[in-house]
Amino acid sequence: AQSVTQPDIHITVSEGASLELRCNYSYGATPYLFWYVQSPGQGLQLLLKYFSGDTLVQGIKGFEAEFKRSQSSFNLRKPSVHWSDAAEYFCAVGPASGYNKLIFGAGTRLAVHP
Amino acid sequence: DAGVIQSPRHEVTEMGQEVTLRCKPISGHDYLFWYRQTMMRGLELLIYFNNNVPIDDSGMPEDRFSAKMPNASFSTLKIQPSEPRDSAVYFCASSYNYEQYFGPGTRLTVT
Repeated sequence: AQSVTQPDIHITVSEGASLELRCNYSYGATPYLFWYVQSPGQGLQLLLKYFSGDTLVQGIKGFEAEFKRSQSSFNLRKPSVHWSDAAEYFCAVGPASGYNKLIFGAGTRLAVHP
Repeated sequence: DAGVIQSPRHEVTEMGQEVTLRCKPISGHDYLFWYRQTMMRGLELLIYFNNNVPIDDSGMPEDRFSAKMPNASFSTLKIQPSEPRDSAVYFCASSYNYEQYFGPGTRLTVT
């Protein structure tokens, strides 16, 4: 079955600390991979995506993610977190061809301490 | 570009009433998705369209829910009759080349 697992429901980090949010997926073939961020009261915003090529991808707001095929993972990282990064983060996977329906993880809520 | 536009942003209605949510996708996008988000169930895909044609409505919870896309620039999600358990935030998203762009959502409260 196709699924996305974000093992951490809540994460709290101090401002300026590094961040890694985990994402594991189960999919029939190598999928397209995405990270979205949702601030309170807003819709989801695309942070970054992986389609093919370099497995380390850069996104907006200083985020990056690394695709590891052997581990079926696509973890999101940021070297230094800002208070404005407090939000909910969703990992998503979709097919590399055909109808582009995405499967979303349950999300990880990030809190940032000053 | 104005992004995906949804209206209304907030809707409060009484149980049994009809509710219509509206969405204007980004121009040129060929996919449109309707999602529902609640604390208990997270983000759920209700239905999606490709080139105005419904592709998969298996996520629509009941026959009380219906969605239409009469043209490339407009879609509606209708709930008739509404029930308190329909209270949620409903998102519309549009897509081109596999990237989905979300609207700000409609917060529906059914009393």
